[in-house]
Amino acid sequence: EVQLLESGGGLVQPGGSLRLSCAASGFTFGSSAMSWVRQAPGKGLEWVSTISGSFGSTYYADSVKGRFTITRDNSKNTVYLQMNSLRAEDTAVYYCAKDFWSGSHDSWGQGTLVTVSS
Amino acid sequence: IQLTQSPSSLSASVGDRVTITCRASQGISTYLAWYQQKPGKAPKLLIYAASTLQSGVPSRFSGSGSGTDFTLTISSLQPEDFATYYCQQINSYPYTFGQGTKLEIK
Repeated sequence: EVQLLESGGGLVQPGGSLRLSCAASGFTFGSSAMSWVRQAPGKGLEWVSTISGSFGSTYYADSVKGRFTITRDNSKNTVYLQMNSLRAEDTAVYYCAKDFWSGSHDSWGQGTLVTVSS
Repeated sequence: IQLTQSPSSLSASVGDRVTITCRASQGISTYLAWYQQKPGKAPKLLIYAASTLQSGVPSRFSGSGSGTDFTLTISSLQPEDFATYYCQQINSYPYTFGQGTKLEIK
C-alpha cells in the first residue's frame, strides 16, 4: 500500500522559510516522479512543483519559481520542499503526491498546513 | 495553459446523469486527468489520459474528449459522489488545474 506522510508545516512570518518533508513507502520511490500540490483555504488546487525520479529534473509553478526548491533523497524515500521568502498568499494545505501516468497524481498524502502570517 | 470548468457548481439528485466540462486554452491532446475531492480530504484520481478509468473507480464515471474540450460524466449519481471535481492538464509544465466544480445534493 502506497503511503505518503507530510510533515513540517506550521506558522511562519512573512519573509520566513520552512521545509516540508514527505516520507514515502509502498512503491519504488527512486523511479517515481513526485509532486507538491497546494490548496489555499476555501480555494481550488494549485500544482506547485515536480521532481522526476530518474534524473531529478525539477519543475515549478511561476508563483513559486525562485523561492521554492524541490529535492529528493532516494536513500530515505523522502521528497522535500524548501520554501523561502514566504508570503501570505502561500498559506495553504500542501499535499505531497506520487506521479502516475504522464504527471497525473495517483496517490496523495494527508496534507500539511502552512500558515504565513505575522 | 488555462483550464475552465463549467459549471462552477451543480445541484443534482441521486440517480441523475451529470456532465462536467473542462476547456483548455490550447490543445493538450488527451493529457488530462480528473480528480474528486471531498471536504477535508486529499483529492482522488478518477480518470487519466482523458478517458481511462483509474483502478478501483466505479464504472459510472467516464471521461471523454481531446484537444481542448473534455467532459466528465457520472451516469447515475450516488450519495458518495457529492464532492468537488477538478480537471488537470498534464500536457506541459506548469501543470494547471481547473477551478473546480462543486456537485451538491438537490
